[in-house]
Amino acid sequence: GAVVSQHPSRVICKSGTSVKIECRSLDFQATTMFWYRQFPKQSLMLMATSNEGSKATYEQGVEKDKFLINHASLTLSTLTVTSAHPEDSSFYICSARAGLGSTDTQYFGPGTRLTVL
Amino acid sequence: GENVEQHPSTLSVQEGDSAVIKCTYSDSASNYFPWYKQELGKRPQLIIDIRSNVGEKKDQRIAVTLNKTAKHFSLHITETQPEDSAVYFCAADTGNQFYFGTGTSLTVIP
Repeated sequence: GAVVSQHPSRVICKSGTSVKIECRSLDFQATTMFWYRQFPKQSLMLMATSNEGSKATYEQGVEKDKFLINHASLTLSTLTVTSAHPEDSSFYICSARAGLGSTDTQYFGPGTRLTVL
Repeated sequence: GENVEQHPSTLSVQEGDSAVIKCTYSDSASNYFPWYKQELGKRPQLIIDIRSNVGEKKDQRIAVTLNKTAKHFSLHITETQPEDSAVYFCAADTGNQFYFGTGTSLTVIP
């Protein structure tokens, strides 16, 4: 299957700082990338959908000014958690889809464990 | 929007037995249904998927069935092995995004 990388895999930061997470599709061009958040023993919660060159679409309840998403190219999307607080600590996973149609599956990155002290 | 329900939340089976996980969805526009396996601390991995024009699909010990009329689909794992122990997620795709089920923690007892 297609390969999606995510960096960093783990990050610990102080409260009030900003953290950037990168998601890259390594062997295909991702027209759409998704950002998920996952709490322990829970399902993946979609935060936002981003299409290359356009603004991200955020799910209800997700603060777009806090979780900044940039999909600058067909192989790179970034999620920046601004002014992070302990409640932002979570496992963040991106996924990428090559096509525009509903028959194209999503391939997941390995995830980023964010801990805010 | 779409609502995906998944049952059971936990499932324990003896090695060699079969495991069945069921999901229901609400949006008749959903037409793609993948299943993911997630081991602790790792990314979800696609294990099998089915599209709405197919009723059943099988890949070795794993099979998925889809009933579009009833809006439910199921994952079947036969001859379970300890390495099948993980959390399994179903999803329904409306064409714009995936809606995930709540997950099933499967434990295969040796």
